Amino acid sequence: QVQLMQSGAEVKKPGASVKVSCKASGYTFNDHYMHWVRQAPGQGLEWMGRINPNNGGTDYAPKFRGRVTMTRDTSISTAYMELSRLRSDDTAVYYCARQRVVATLLDYWGQGTLVTVSS
Amino acid sequence: QTVVTQEPSFSVSPGGTVTLTCGLTSGSVSTDYYPSWYQQTPGQAPRTLIFSTNTRSSGVPDRFSGSILGNKAALTITGAQADDECDYYCVLYMGSGISVFGGGTKLTVL
Repeated sequence: QVQLMQSGAEVKKPGASVKVSCKASGYTFNDHYMHWVRQAPGQGLEWMGRINPNNGGTDYAPKFRGRVTMTRDTSISTAYMELSRLRSDDTAVYYCARQRVVATLLDYWGQGTLVTVSS
Repeated sequence: QTVVTQEPSFSVSPGGTVTLTCGLTSGSVSTDYYPSWYQQTPGQAPRTLIFSTNTRSSGVPDRFSGSILGNKAALTITGAQADDECDYYCVLYMGSGISVFGGGTKLTVL
């Protein structure tokens, strides 16, 4: 069965960077884009970007360009999302999600990783 | 910058029908935006209900349906049940690899 297993919670200071991992299993990793979506406490979903595991190509939301880097390691079926120059309003649960068929269909989601930014 | 709009909240009576919408601050939503709808209960990851305007995801009851109504995408829930009370999000594909979520609708069943 398809599973996306994310790394554990992180606490970071303002200005630092965080790197969240998402290990995929149960399907061919290269066949599906991986998206990253975040949700601040009590707020809505926010699309951050996606990566094509096949060639490493990325698309980022304009808001995050210059601060986010999405990468992958196909040898271990793992996608990564690194966010730099963290601010307190980056405190959120970060999800990875697998795309299927069309860009807006995210059919499997990771369990989420809470990133807390606090001095 | 175009924003995806949703009603912040909506209320429906048990057994009733409700239509949630997903629009744009500039322009009309069409099938070209591949509108999809997600349901989220507190503390859980979102669950896909509808994708590409009107295709129901596997296991989703036919009480949930998607469409284009006027210049917006729409999610209609018929025969509302107590456990439909949660948050609903739409997402649109804006082109060039970019997707945008709406702000979400908190649905109350009472």
